[in-house]
Amino acid sequence: GESVGLHLPTLSVQEGDNSIINCAYSNSASDYFIWYKQESGKGPQFIIDIRSNMDKRQGQRVTVLLNKTVKHLSLQIAATQPGDSAVYFCAERDRGSTLGRLYFGRGTQLTVWP
Amino acid sequence: DADVTQTPRNRITKTGKRIMLECSQTKGHDRMYWYRQDPGLGLRLIYYSFDVKDINKGEISDGYSVSRQAQAKFSLSLESAIPNQTALYFCATSDATSGSYNEQFFGPGTRLTVL
Repeated sequence: GESVGLHLPTLSVQEGDNSIINCAYSNSASDYFIWYKQESGKGPQFIIDIRSNMDKRQGQRVTVLLNKTVKHLSLQIAATQPGDSAVYFCAERDRGSTLGRLYFGRGTQLTVWP
Repeated sequence: DADVTQTPRNRITKTGKRIMLECSQTKGHDRMYWYRQDPGLGLRLIYYSFDVKDINKGEISDGYSVSRQAQAKFSLSLESAIPNQTALYFCATSDATSGSYNEQFFGPGTRLTVL
């Protein structure tokens, strides 16, 4: 089955620095990837997504990079702020999935300190 | 996301009790999901539904059942709760026809404790 995981369970950065959160996947049939942010006591919230026909996509202060050769996904957060402190999950979809089923990684806890 | 609501938000129950967690959505989405979250394990899929007449098991369906009463409502039941079902439960929805591909929108979660 699919395997979505994160290289580091925790990441601490100083406010203002850039953050990079990594995700490895093993299913070469995955064609769609999403990054979610989960703040304490809340449900996951969509940050940014990318389709497998792309290798980079940018949002507001966030960039997702996809390297299909090594099956690696990363989320870059520019000028990290205290409000970015949360758990970040990557999720992937198998192109054979007919019901939009996503497979989630275990998550990385990002802590931003002043 | 306020468009996906879950009740109750917190529940403490005893082993052997039957528990129902409810999810409602106002997004008009056809697809609904129930996930379980445990520390260090991320989100694991319990059941998912394509529409009112479609129910599918996820990774960890044993000990759980679901009911899709209407397009907007998807309930999760624990027939006889056991302590290792203590977890955070999330409902999610997605729209098969939208341009956002497969983005899932999550409710605020239900924290369930089984004593």
